[in-house]
Amino acid sequence: KAGVTQTPRYLIKTRGQQVTLSCSPISGHRSVSWYQQTPGQGLQFLFEYFSETQRNKGNFPGRFSGRQFSNSRSEMNVSTLELGDSALYLCASSLAWGRTDTQYFGPGTRLTVL
Amino acid sequence: GENVEQHPSTLSVQEGDSAVIKCTYSDSASNYFPWYKQELGKGPQLIIDIRSNVGEKKDQRIAVTLNKTAKHFSLHITETQPEDSAVYFCAASQYNNNDMRFGAGTRLTVKP
Repeated sequence: KAGVTQTPRYLIKTRGQQVTLSCSPISGHRSVSWYQQTPGQGLQFLFEYFSETQRNKGNFPGRFSGRQFSNSRSEMNVSTLELGDSALYLCASSLAWGRTDTQYFGPGTRLTVL
Repeated sequence: GENVEQHPSTLSVQEGDSAVIKCTYSDSASNYFPWYKQELGKGPQLIIDIRSNVGEKKDQRIAVTLNKTAKHFSLHITETQPEDSAVYFCAASQYNNNDMRFGAGTRLTVKP
C-alpha cells in the first residue's frame, strides 16, 4: 500500500507570496492532519480535516488554512508569507476522526521563504 | 493544554548498548503515546505506540513503558545498531483527538 505523498517536496517563495501544499493520504484513510516542524518550535499541530470539514485547529494565525476534497486529499495554504514560515510542513493520515488512530506521516514539503 | 517534555536532547551510545529516552506529559486526559523516528530528509515514522490501558509494550528490540500515575513514559532500545541513529520524538494525545503534542526530540547516535 502506498504511503502518504506530499507535493512539492521543496519550495522557495518570497515574503508576501502565498503557497499551496498538497497531501494524498494512504488509501482508505479519511483523516488528514498537518504539522509544522521548525528547529526552534519543533513539531506543532496546524489542523485536521475529516469528511471535507476542519475538525480540529492548532494555535496558528488565519494566514494558515486548509481544505479537504471528497477523495480525502488535502491542501494547505499559507498567505502573505513571512520569513518565520520557513519550515518543513508534514501531513499525516489516519483512518478516521473522533478516535485516537495511528497517524502516518508523509516525507514533508520543505518551504523556504526569502 | 498538553505539554510534553523529552529528555535527553542528545544521546550517544556504543553499538550493542541500550538507549533510554524519557518523556513526561501534563494532561491526565492524554491516553495515547506514540514514538516516532525521523531520519534526515524524511518524515517521522511510527516505531511503537502505547495506550493508557497498557503499562508496557514490546516489539523486538524496542519497548515502551507508561506510568500514568507519574505521567511519564519511556522508550527503550536494546542492542542498538548504527541504523538506529536518528531523531526520536515522543507524543501524547487524547481520546477522540488527533491533535498530537510532541516532545522536542532526542538525537540518538549509535557509534560502531
